[in-house]
Amino acid sequence: RKEVEQDPGPFNVPEGATVAFNCTYSNSASQSFFWYRQDCRKEPKLLMSVYSSGNEDGRFTAQLNRASQYISLLIRDSKLSDSATYLCVVLLGYSTLTFGKGTMLLVSP
Amino acid sequence: EAQVTQNPRYLITVTGKKLTVTCSQNMNHEYMSWYRQDPGLGLRQIYYSMNVEVTDKGDVPEGYKVSRKEKRNFPLILESPSPNQTSLYFCASSLGQGADYTFGSGTRLTVV
Repeated sequence: RKEVEQDPGPFNVPEGATVAFNCTYSNSASQSFFWYRQDCRKEPKLLMSVYSSGNEDGRFTAQLNRASQYISLLIRDSKLSDSATYLCVVLLGYSTLTFGKGTMLLVSP
Repeated sequence: EAQVTQNPRYLITVTGKKLTVTCSQNMNHEYMSWYRQDPGLGLRQIYYSMNVEVTDKGDVPEGYKVSRKEKRNFPLILESPSPNQTSLYFCASSLGQGADYTFGSGTRLTVV
């Protein structure tokens, strides 16, 4: 059964706060992992890939825990422009990316 | 500019009237896919194609057809649209298996 689960939120945080999202996946054979960002029903855009060793891109840090089958995204020093829905994405099998339903983040002044 | 182009962006049609949503990519990507996005259900895959003349069903293929005659194009065909196909549709492409997707801007379809 394909399943990627996320807390839908919304997460309401003030500017400058640190916020973390988790995502769990059910298939232990999953191969690749990504975080996408989606604004107001626009197209999803790749935020970052998630590597086993963890990776960082500016204020964003992604981590993968294969043993517990979860992925995390940490956003430091939140900006108003970070307000969006964050989609956890998992590659199951050889051809299909499966998307979580997304976590909404609202950053307020 | 590398991109995935979908047309039309918005479409209102009547039940049963055949329509095609076009998708074209200029990145020489082998893999293309169609998704629909509905409130509370997230993105669900309709069809995908791993290369020219190779297509396969995703999670929700009923009521849809696709073709991949050329590498760059992957049209989505609704032979007899119904109101439950009212949705936001995204086309996406990638270099291949495991690679990240580039999405088109979406097509908002309303079937009345």
